[in-house]
Amino acid sequence: KQEVTQIPAALSVPEGENLVLNCSFTDSAIYNLQWFRQDPGKGLTSLLLIQSSQREQTSGRLNASLDKSSGRSTLYIAASQPGDSATYLCAVRPTQGGSEKLVFGKGMKLTVNP
Amino acid sequence: AAGVIQSPRHLIKEKRETATLKCYPIPRHDTVYWYQQGPGQDPQFLISFYEKMQSDKGSIPDRFSAQQFSDYHSELNMSSLELGDSALYFCASSLHNRDRGPNEKLFFGSGTQLSVL
Repeated sequence: KQEVTQIPAALSVPEGENLVLNCSFTDSAIYNLQWFRQDPGKGLTSLLLIQSSQREQTSGRLNASLDKSSGRSTLYIAASQPGDSATYLCAVRPTQGGSEKLVFGKGMKLTVNP
Repeated sequence: AAGVIQSPRHLIKEKRETATLKCYPIPRHDTVYWYQQGPGQDPQFLISFYEKMQSDKGSIPDRFSAQQFSDYHSELNMSSLELGDSALYFCASSLHNRDRGPNEKLFFGSGTQLSVL
C-alpha cells in the first residue's frame, strides 16, 4: 500500500529564507507526483506536477524535484514571503488499483514570519 | 480562467439526514474526483468518474453514492449522515489524455464544508 510522508509536520521561518520541503513515498510505481498548497479552510491549489519520467519542474520561485527510485521529492521555495504561509501537501498517483486516485501526505504547515 | 465550482460552500445537517453536494468541473474536463478531508487530516479519495462512468472507487461508505451527468457535472449523495461525516469535501477535475492516460494535473474546487450535528 502506497504511503506518503512529509516531515516535518510544521515549519516556521523568517521571511527571505530559502526552503526545502520533503516528501517521501513507499512505492516507486507512480504516474506522477503533485505538490499542492492549501490555505486554512480552503481548497487545494496545484503548484507543480512532475511526471514519473521527469526529474524536476519549475514555476517562479518554486522548484520541485523527483527521485522516483528512492521515493523522494523536494519542493524548493526561494526567498520565502509571508504570503507563502500555508499547508503544503504532496500527492502521488499510483499506477496500481485503477490509478485514478491521488495518495496524499499529511502536509507540512509553513509559517513565514515578516 | 474558470475553475472547479462546488456548491454549497457550507452545509449543516443533523444526524440521519441526507445531503447532496454538487460539483461543476472546468469546461471540457471529462473526469471528476471526490475527496474527503477530515479535520487535520489529509484528503482521502472517495470515487471518480470518467465520461459519466465510475472509473475508480476508494473509501466511500455504502451510505454515499455519486454520479456524473451528461454535462459532466457530478453530485455526491450522502444519506443517514453520521457525526463522523463532518469534513471538507473536495471535488477535482481533469482532462483525461488518451495517449498519456492518468497523467494530467488535477484541479480542485474550494470544497464543501459539511457539519453534521
